[in-house]
Amino acid sequence: AQKVTQAQTEISVVEKEDVTLDCVYETRDTTYYLFWYKQPPSGELVFLIRRNSFDEQNEISGRYSWNFQKSTSSFNFTITASQVVDSAVYFCALSEGLSSGSARQLTFGSGTQLTVLP
Amino acid sequence: NAGVMQNPRHLVRRRGQEARLRCSPMKGHSHVYWYRQLPEEGLKFMVYLQKENIIDESGMPKERFSAEFPKEGPSILRIQQVVRGDSAAYFCASSDRTGNNSPLHFGNGTRLTVT
Repeated sequence: AQKVTQAQTEISVVEKEDVTLDCVYETRDTTYYLFWYKQPPSGELVFLIRRNSFDEQNEISGRYSWNFQKSTSSFNFTITASQVVDSAVYFCALSEGLSSGSARQLTFGSGTQLTVLP
Repeated sequence: NAGVMQNPRHLVRRRGQEARLRCSPMKGHSHVYWYRQLPEEGLKFMVYLQKENIIDESGMPKERFSAEFPKEGPSILRIQQVVRGDSAAYFCASSDRTGNNSPLHFGNGTRLTVT
């Protein structure tokens, strides 16, 4: 069975601070994908990143960066120089298996509510 | 290049009525997934469909809920005899093939309120 844990329910930071959102996952598969989604107050889900289990290279996209560590089953997300517009709920998700024909269900964490104060 | 389209955006139903939620996948996508987000919670998988086929409905409640994805037209999630506990946001996602080679893109969701 797969499981995603986002232990931080809520985080508040002041604008321009850096903030890291934690994500720990459990899976029996050796092949899997990890995702981050953003859900702003308007409610839609915005895809941020997908990472496969064979690629442990960290990734940076503007103010966003992701740290994938298989040894600790973690896929943490850092926002540098946070802005008020970053305020949202952030979800980490896991999808097991790479073989065709396997249903691509995502298992989501419970989300972290990030509030960036001006 | 429209994304995943869901309608209605908001739906209010009285207890006992039926709710029909529609999802049009991205152009060229033939796989549709429905998820439910209860208040203050993450999303939970409900059902995975391809055109005219239900592939995996392991997340669907056994009663009152059904889903279809006909050859023509949008995918429909149908909830019969709604109860207050059905109040949630229902999200649809689509992809162009099975496996994990394409990210799942979600629609804006339908927020169902049962009064």
